[in-house]
Amino acid sequence: NAGVTQTPKFRILKIGQSMTLQCTQDMNHNYMYWYRQDPGMGLKLIYYSVGAGITDKGEVPNGYNVSRSTTEDFPLRLELAAPSQTSVYFCASSADRDQYFGAGTRLSVL
Amino acid sequence: EDQVTQSPEALRLQEGESSSLNCSYTVSGLRGLFWYRQDPGKGPEFLFTLYSAGEEKEKERLKATLTKKESFLHITAPKPEDSATYLCAVRGTKGAQKLVFGQGTRLTINP
Repeated sequence: NAGVTQTPKFRILKIGQSMTLQCTQDMNHNYMYWYRQDPGMGLKLIYYSVGAGITDKGEVPNGYNVSRSTTEDFPLRLELAAPSQTSVYFCASSADRDQYFGAGTRLSVL
Repeated sequence: EDQVTQSPEALRLQEGESSSLNCSYTVSGLRGLFWYRQDPGKGPEFLFTLYSAGEEKEKERLKATLTKKESFLHITAPKPEDSATYLCAVRGTKGAQKLVFGQGTRLTINP
């Protein structure tokens, strides 16, 4: 049972570089989410999607972009990485109520 | 705006010493209060969902309760393997499928 799979697990970026964080779920869930978690803090919602082709901003969307071309995949794009984007990123999916999370991507921007 | 505050920030207990974690919330129409467990370096793991005041749910040594303003996660006779950060989150009527998380309580159980 794969559940929610995130790649890569770790990444170091230089300021101004771009990258895509990948997220795939095999549970046929309609809803998918991207969160970031800073040390000692709770999770903050970046973007979410209610189905293929539909995305919306969360609490902290600035500096990020998403797309949802399939039910399974929900990639998160960082276009111009900044030190403030150093964080742990979690992807989650849900059928209706309960959200299930991936293992996270730890990103450092130096 | 929906808000969640968890207390204490950190809690150290001896093995077998029961205690409770608190989650205070304000939300525009509660559509669910969620408890998650998070181990270091891992994603949150779903524990419970509560929907209405008075509701209780149990899983092994954990019991979650809900009132109109707060939720408690009671830990009975904890073991070292219960050590983790416990996160609380709410979903309101205005937030669609979105969850608002508290900052978590870091629980350490000493053998």
